[in-house]
Amino acid sequence: DAGVTQSPTHLIKTRGQQVTLRCSPKSGHDTVSWYQQALGQGPQFIFQYYEEEERQRGNFPDRFSGHQFPNYSSELNVNALLLGDSALYLCASSLGGWVSGRPDTQYFGPGTRLTVL
Amino acid sequence: GQNIDQPTEMTATEGAIVQINCTYQTSGFNGLFWYQQHAGEAPTFLSYNVLDGLEEKGRFSSFLSRSKGYSYLLLKELQMKDSASYLCAVRGGTNAGKSTFGDGTTLTVKP
Repeated sequence: DAGVTQSPTHLIKTRGQQVTLRCSPKSGHDTVSWYQQALGQGPQFIFQYYEEEERQRGNFPDRFSGHQFPNYSSELNVNALLLGDSALYLCASSLGGWVSGRPDTQYFGPGTRLTVL
Repeated sequence: GQNIDQPTEMTATEGAIVQINCTYQTSGFNGLFWYQQHAGEAPTFLSYNVLDGLEEKGRFSSFLSRSKGYSYLLLKELQMKDSASYLCAVRGGTNAGKSTFGDGTTLTVKP
């Protein structure tokens, strides 16, 4: 049973550039959430996708955007990178929590370590 | 908004029991989750509580009191591999799918 996968593992960019991170959910899951985790802090919720639509959004600027594909995989795009965007970006997948209203258990991928120079 | 508080660091001895507390203030509540995160790795799910009381899963137990906005994670028979950060996360409020995480408690298990 394949777990959540993310690519790339590590990425180095310079200020002003754009980046795309990718996530494939755990087999059978239909909901993908993205989190940003700075060093020494807990993950911060960016947004959640279900049925190819953004359903929830945290307090992140419009520079952060995403997409979910028909096969439930997802991309996170960040434009005009800032030094402060350096962090571990985590993707978490779950099943149908949005629909059921029950707290769905989220399973995290290994993350993408983004460094902005 | 939501606010999650947990101690920054804790130290315990191999074989002992440790309790990691988490207090939260939320505009709504739809579940509380505990995750373990080893350095440089992704969080892994440990347990969740929706109703008041104790949930036991092997060496790990989690307790919830919704009226007090309080939870704890209890780790028994500590092992060296339990050295990690433990994250408390609250789900819900107006956004049922959104999880708000605390900054984690770094547990160091010593021989």
